Amino acid sequence: QVQLVQSGAEVRKPGASVRLSCEASGYTFGNYYMHWIRQAPGHGLEWMGLVNPSGGGTSYAAKFDDRITMTTDRSTRTAYMELRSLRSEDTALYYCARKKSDGFDIWGQGTVVTVSP
Amino acid sequence: QSVLTQPPSVSAAPGQKVTISCSGSSSNIGDNYVSWYQQLPGTAPKFLIYEDKKRPSGIPDRFSGSKSGTSATLGITGLQTGDEADYYCGTWDNSLNAHVFGTGTKVTVL
Repeated sequence: QVQLVQSGAEVRKPGASVRLSCEASGYTFGNYYMHWIRQAPGHGLEWMGLVNPSGGGTSYAAKFDDRITMTTDRSTRTAYMELRSLRSEDTALYYCARKKSDGFDIWGQGTVVTVSP
Repeated sequence: QSVLTQPPSVSAAPGQKVTISCSGSSSNIGDNYVSWYQQLPGTAPKFLIYEDKKRPSGIPDRFSGSKSGTSATLGITGLQTGDEADYYCGTWDNSLNAHVFGTGTKVTVL
């Protein structure tokens, strides 16, 4: 079935970087943009950006533009999101989600990132 | 800070109907399709409505979407205890060049 499986929880110190992965299965990976969305504890959904698996084009939310990189590996059907210069406010649950028909139809299970000294 | 405003909470008895509003502007809802998501406690969001009013396969017709101008609405009829969740609207914002989500609404079944 169509699914996105994300990598496991991460703990980082402030100033460090983290790279999360999102492995797709059950559909043609290159046909759908992959988006990354995060949710801080007790808060709503925040869009971070997107990557086009067919070509590698990206678009990032302005607040992350200088410290985020999204990539894909079509050979392993995996999307990656790297966030640098982490701070405590980056502690959140990070989701990858497939974009289809102007909506996010498939979501990963989420990866918890904790930023703590 | 979200550019789409939703009521923090709505509630109703089992079997009743609730509506959730999502207010935006001409640069987002006014010019792009709206989607809706249901997030049950401790789970990832679930695709509920797309292109303002269409339901993905498997979503019961108790859930409906509509849009007028710069506002969208999600309706849930025949409310069930399993509908207790947070609900989010979302759309693209042409000015921000970003996808934006609503502030979220918690539905409580009394």
